[in-house]
Amino acid sequence: GDSVTQMEGPVTLSEEAFLTINCTYTATGYPSLFWYVQYPGEGLQLLLKATKADDKGSNKGFEATYRKETTSFHLEKGSVQVSDSAVYFCALSDLYNFNKFYFGSGTKLNVKP
Amino acid sequence: DTGVSQDPRHKITKRGQNVTFRCDPISEHNRLYWYRQTLGQGPEFLTYFQNEAQLEKSRLLSDRFSAERPKGSFSTLEIQRTEQGDSAMYLCASSLSGASGLYEQYFGPGTRLTVT
Repeated sequence: GDSVTQMEGPVTLSEEAFLTINCTYTATGYPSLFWYVQYPGEGLQLLLKATKADDKGSNKGFEATYRKETTSFHLEKGSVQVSDSAVYFCALSDLYNFNKFYFGSGTKLNVKP
Repeated sequence: DTGVSQDPRHKITKRGQNVTFRCDPISEHNRLYWYRQTLGQGPEFLTYFQNEAQLEKSRLLSDRFSAERPKGSFSTLEIQRTEQGDSAMYLCASSLSGASGLYEQYFGPGTRLTVT
């Protein structure tokens, strides 16, 4: 079945450091891929998405490229800020499976000033 | 506020009691989803509605769980005879569907259930 695996956290970085959070997926259909972010005490917010192979999603300085050959969708940011501290979830959704989402277990990011 | 809302935000109940949660989706969204999130894990799919029809249920949704969306607008999730293992964050999400394809899901803030 469909599933998402992402790197375990927590990830602790200093401000302005480079961020990579790895995400790989298994899917039988034609998934779209997403990164959601959850700030403390808040709900999940869509960060970025990519709907087909080689698409790059980007938002707020974050980027992720849909790599079908490696079944990956790694999240990157060139220079993190303290305000980026949150839990990040990789997810996939299959258009042909009523858009049910499969989430990874989440990666907590701590950014220190 | 035109986002997804959930009520209550927190619920503490004793084992064996029944609880009901409410979700109000974004008004024009025809799809509504329920997920459960336990500590340190990502959300897990429970069930899904297209308008008022419940089209899919996860095997996680035991017979103690029931969900409704009577008029295709708000939805309720009821848990009967709660167990300590039901303690979790219950998330609701809504989205549009259409011939042009995939629309992202918008999540509510969740209802945190604690069963003592």
